[in-house]
Amino acid sequence: ELKVEQNPLFLSMQEGKNYTIYCNYSTTSDRLYWYRQDPGKSLESLFVLLSNGAVKQEGRLMASLDTKARLSTLHITAAVHDLSATYFCAVDKTSGSRLTFGEGTQLTVNP
Amino acid sequence: GAVVSQHPSWVICKSGTSVKIECRSLDFQATTMFWYRQFPKQSLMLMATSNEGSKATYEQGVEKDKFLINHASLTLSTLTVTSAHPEDSSFYICSAVRGTPVPQYFGPGTRLLVL
Repeated sequence: ELKVEQNPLFLSMQEGKNYTIYCNYSTTSDRLYWYRQDPGKSLESLFVLLSNGAVKQEGRLMASLDTKARLSTLHITAAVHDLSATYFCAVDKTSGSRLTFGEGTQLTVNP
Repeated sequence: GAVVSQHPSWVICKSGTSVKIECRSLDFQATTMFWYRQFPKQSLMLMATSNEGSKATYEQGVEKDKFLINHASLTLSTLTVTSAHPEDSSFYICSAVRGTPVPQYFGPGTRLLVL
């Protein structure tokens, strides 16, 4: 059974600081996804990582994938309040198949 | 592009009634659609995988007779919660896959409250 674990589950940080969210998964997969969810809303796709060593950046967020370590990171640079949300990573075993989600990391950025 | 809609966005019903939720891919044909359920402060749990013209594949522990899924076309899947009970109250989210290798596109979700 594929398991996906995120840490931390809760993260409170100050504006301007940097931090990293980690996502570990238990089985071989070359695809990892990061999503953002705002309270009461559905999921917004942030990144799709499709190969070992993949790195993608969008604004203050950067995601990377190490398939050998079965680890993905989501790095936040100089956090701002607008980044407050819950972030999920997810893995699928084959492209277009069912996703297994991590528990989510609830991020709060304080002024 | 790649917009997925759900209807209704929220619904309140009495215990024992049935509720139908629609999931539509608006600007693409979805090879596969998925139905998820999310309880407050929890992650998404896959309920079933739906392919057009074939029976849905349900996850372990999900009652097929209670959560009826019909995938009538490449742009529409429906989830019917039959004989709803308060414990079925949840946030139901569908997603659609346009092709590979792309992410699943998620609908806005349907919040169900069963009284």
